[in-house]
Amino acid sequence: KNQVEQSPQSLIILEGKNCTLQCNYTVSPFSNLRWYKQDTGRGPVSLTIMTFSENTKSNGRYTATLDADTKQSSLHITASQLSDSASYICVVSGRGFKTIFGAGTRLFVKA
Amino acid sequence: DAGVIQSPRHEVTEMGQEVTLRCKPISGHDYLFWYRQTMMRGLELLIYFNNNVPIDDSGMPEDRFSAKMPNASFSTLKIQPSEPRDSAVYFCASSPGTPKAGNTIYFGEGSWLTVV
Repeated sequence: KNQVEQSPQSLIILEGKNCTLQCNYTVSPFSNLRWYKQDTGRGPVSLTIMTFSENTKSNGRYTATLDADTKQSSLHITASQLSDSASYICVVSGRGFKTIFGAGTRLFVKA
Repeated sequence: DAGVIQSPRHEVTEMGQEVTLRCKPISGHDYLFWYRQTMMRGLELLIYFNNNVPIDDSGMPEDRFSAKMPNASFSTLKIQPSEPRDSAVYFCASSPGTPKAGNTIYFGEGSWLTVV
């Protein structure tokens, strides 16, 4: 069964600290993996897209990693800011338009 | 670019009424998607179009839901009759190409539907 599981479900950190969000998937065959940021009351916005051959991709303070062998990805946020408070959704695309969304990790950054 | 434009942003309606959600995709994008998001189920793909043609509607929950794309710049998602369990945020999204090829999916701001 194609699944995308994210952890933790929610996370609270202090402003300026780093954090890492996890995504495990069983989607096969694999095409690409994306991380989206969704602010409260807004639509998701793409942060990174990684294909099978990519191990790391950065977008400012966001760095995503992918281990296609273990079917794991992580999103690392460096020097968190209050504006990083949002839900982070891992999305895996497989054959055709089989796109599976994770349930998301809700991140709260406190001052 | 204005991005994907959805209307209405918020809709409150009574059970049994017809609801029509509207979407204008980003100009030049060949793919259009309708998603539903709830706390319980997260984001779910309902249907997607390629060049105005519905390709996969397997995510449409039941016959009360229908979607059309009469031209490249407009799509509707209709619920008739609406039920309280349809309450959710409905997102329209568009993409310049297939997500499998790594194309970014651009989401609208969503239509927040409450059926009472």
